[in-house]
Amino acid sequence: NAGVTQTPKFQVLKTGQSMTLQCAQDMNHEYMSWYRQDPGMGLRLIHYSVGAGITDQGEVPNGYNVSRSTTEDFPLRLLSAAPSQTSVYFCASSYLEGVYGYTFGSGTRLTVV
Amino acid sequence: GDSVTQMEGPVTLSEEACLTINCTYTATGYPSLFWYVQYPGEGLQLLLKATKADDKGSNKGFEATYRKETTSFHLEKGSVQVSDSAVYFCALRGIQGAQKLVFGQGTRLTINP
Repeated sequence: NAGVTQTPKFQVLKTGQSMTLQCAQDMNHEYMSWYRQDPGMGLRLIHYSVGAGITDQGEVPNGYNVSRSTTEDFPLRLLSAAPSQTSVYFCASSYLEGVYGYTFGSGTRLTVV
Repeated sequence: GDSVTQMEGPVTLSEEACLTINCTYTATGYPSLFWYVQYPGEGLQLLLKATKADDKGSNKGFEATYRKETTSFHLEKGSVQVSDSAVYFCALRGIQGAQKLVFGQGTRLTINP
């Protein structure tokens, strides 16, 4: 099925470890983004990309890194995990700058201990 | 900056009751407005959208009308079902910083049989 695929679904990290959350879409969407969801705060934008080779920071970028080498993939890297990064992470993609809405992945639940 | 305020939850209703979840926004010009739904353990799904003033979005019995004069986009359903139990997010895509969706904090809805 077409859509946005995120892996892994669950992950536990120790403080200071690094890891990469994977995101892939097969809809040829130019726009991709990463959000984190925390209780009572809705979703907040971490980083986004308007096309291969182009990325920019969102609302809460500290501690995260991204790159976009292909249209399909947009991985999110945690450089040195901290307990404050415990959250649910969603990748989303869109057509036409999100005018008609974004397609979201099923999320990665990350716990940092 | 752009912002979305939605009705705080949780909201608990009986099956076949009427539902209204309030959503108001602050933004420059005419943003696109969305309602997303998140079922337990899943990602966000686009429920409905409206891209200009007085547009009515509708899907699965839910409706919302884009009211520029009151800067509102309230979600309504005439008769809810147990399967409607989920978290509902109001969101906007502004005319500036177009790659970013701004979310409300979410409203948890529980429908009892």
